[in-house]
Amino acid sequence: QSALTQPASVSGSPGQSITISCTGTNSDVGSYNFVSWYQQHPGKAPRFMIYEVSKRPSGVSSRFSGSKSGNTASLTISGLQAEDEADYFCCSYAGSNILVFGGGTKLTVL
Amino acid sequence: QLQLEESGPGLVKPSETLSLTCAVSGGSISSSSYKWGWIRQPPGKGLAWIGTISHTGSTYYNPSLASRVTMSVDTSKNQFSVRLSSVTAADTAMYYCARQGSCSSATCPRTAFDVWGQGTKVTVSS
Repeated sequence: QSALTQPASVSGSPGQSITISCTGTNSDVGSYNFVSWYQQHPGKAPRFMIYEVSKRPSGVSSRFSGSKSGNTASLTISGLQAEDEADYFCCSYAGSNILVFGGGTKLTVL
Repeated sequence: QLQLEESGPGLVKPSETLSLTCAVSGGSISSSSYKWGWIRQPPGKGLAWIGTISHTGSTYYNPSLASRVTMSVDTSKNQFSVRLSSVTAADTAMYYCARQGSCSSATCPRTAFDVWGQGTKVTVSS
């Protein structure tokens, strides 16, 4: 199982919107609506942000949204804030109780 | 509030076996709505799924690690563990335990890791 592909870095100014892509294959992202996203600040444990492609757990800002098209899932952050600067990781179910993570994307708020 | 806490040696010698335990508090490990996972993160790198175990002891491993990984659960102590044999420097990482949704309700984060431990750093070195 190869890691999902994410851009190494993205950036945006406060108030803007950014989108982070997560590209997999027909064996993972393309076949299952079980994509989740995690936010990780330096030195901290990951934080659960999105599940089942687009569902937000309680406590997560509505500025965070998820979507999927074909083999690519996306995380969009609108109204960018300084506190959103962090690493973001996607994760997909790949069948047979196997999970695969993306390589991670560093978000810089300019 | 559910909390997870990893524990184990911070330093392991090459070729030896790494053993970590995750203690679960504020909730029962025996819930049928959740499974329990291990994820690791090498320094400066991304997250990698190691494996998942249910409260009944069913295990699911990353194929790339399956020959070296063993996970177990102790419901009486409300904890679960991972052992990784024949470690090398490439196994140096922060190791996290996490709760994984395994239910089908609309609010259940099926397959996702919704609660994480703070992580424990493991270095493989002689």
